[in-house]
Amino acid sequence: DAGVIQSPRHEVTEMGQEVTLRCKPISGHNSLFWYRQTMMRGLELLIYFNNNVPIDDSGMPEDRFSAKMPNASFSTLKIQPSEPRDSAVYFCASSQEGQPQHFGDGTRLSIL
Amino acid sequence: SQKIEQNSEALNIQEGKTATLTCNYTNYSPAYLQWYRQDPGRGPVFLLLIRENEKEKRKERLKVTFDTTLKQSLFHITASQPADSATYLCALPTSGTYKYIFGTGTRLKVLA
Repeated sequence: DAGVIQSPRHEVTEMGQEVTLRCKPISGHNSLFWYRQTMMRGLELLIYFNNNVPIDDSGMPEDRFSAKMPNASFSTLKIQPSEPRDSAVYFCASSQEGQPQHFGDGTRLSIL
Repeated sequence: SQKIEQNSEALNIQEGKTATLTCNYTNYSPAYLQWYRQDPGRGPVFLLLIRENEKEKRKERLKVTFDTTLKQSLFHITASQPADSATYLCALPTSGTYKYIFGTGTRLKVLA
């Protein structure tokens, strides 16, 4: 199995630009999670999908962040407009419901 | 609110010794607890899950204990090797959901 695939691995852009992060979960997994990791705050859950439906987006920082899961094999996390404080590593993870999560290798985002 | 604490200071030990990492939690009683390993530039990788009715779980050189009275889990690596050097994270499900809260992790360095 290819595992969870995230793209891009690195993204550097100027503040105010739109950023789109992409995730392909493991086939057959029905839960998908987006996390943000920083040194100060550790790994924080942003949003959780189950069967392509957003179940809990209480971790999304503000309206500048949005996430979609149009089908079982693809999800996006979008930041518009981006700000320097959004700089972090963003992880996508997938799982069978209630089972341990499988993480991608993340997107390292730098907003200048 | 639910909170997890892991020793944020790095742990350095000599090769061959046993490493012990601590995960403390407050304000709830999870049905199970998970430990993950994270290498630099990679996503967390699931290692072990222990349920509330299990006192101890083993997998090769790894051992996890779960004390629901103390609200604490201990993670042991016996006969440690330099390849065990990584950050180790504990994670607990939030009550009634499949969302997880992660600790900030403890960085372990095994010295040859």
